[in-house]
Amino acid sequence: GENVEQHPSTLSVQEGDSAVIKCTYSDSASNYFPWYKQELGKRPQLIIDIRSNVGEKKDQRIAVTLNKTAKHFSLHITETQPEDSAVYFCAASRGGSEKLVFGKGTKLTVNP
Amino acid sequence: KAGVTQTPRYLIKTRGQQVTLSCSPISGHRSVSWYQQTPGQGLQFLFEYFSETQRNKGNFPGRFSGRQFSNSRSEMNVSTLELGDSALYLCASSLAPGSGANVLTFGAGSRLTVL
Repeated sequence: GENVEQHPSTLSVQEGDSAVIKCTYSDSASNYFPWYKQELGKRPQLIIDIRSNVGEKKDQRIAVTLNKTAKHFSLHITETQPEDSAVYFCAASRGGSEKLVFGKGTKLTVNP
Repeated sequence: KAGVTQTPRYLIKTRGQQVTLSCSPISGHRSVSWYQQTPGQGLQFLFEYFSETQRNKGNFPGRFSGRQFSNSRSEMNVSTLELGDSALYLCASSLAPGSGANVLTFGAGSRLTVL
């Protein structure tokens, strides 16, 4: 069935360093790949997304890359700040549906 | 404009009882989906509704059900509660399936504890 694997499960970096989270999906029909950030006790919030016709997308310190051949996509955060500390979830979806298949999440800790 | 509103925010039930959770989508959003979040399983899709019709259902037992009303508000129901149903239940809304290509906005969730 549909599956999204996410690594690592925990990541600790020093403030100012870069952080990379990687996901692999199984459903070759997936064409939409969002990333959500969830702070402790709060709702998941969309931080960036990418569609299958694009290889890379950037938004300030955040970037996402997609390799459709390898069924692999990654989140890159540069110049990390303590407020980036949260759990990050990747997800994959087919078009025309609101069903997202989520990875298990990565707990990112940015140490001052 | 107001975001996705879920009620109640917290509730405690005992095994065997049933529970109904409510979700009001962002004004103008017509698609509502539900997710269960637990520490062990993460975020899992429950169901998706549009125009009062269930379009998709996740891999959950029949004890989990839902519906959508003509004003796009949605409810989900869990009957014969089990300890394993303790979770944060998240509702998400979007304009319509495929309209914004799955850009979901989540509510704050309803945290259910089953004793």
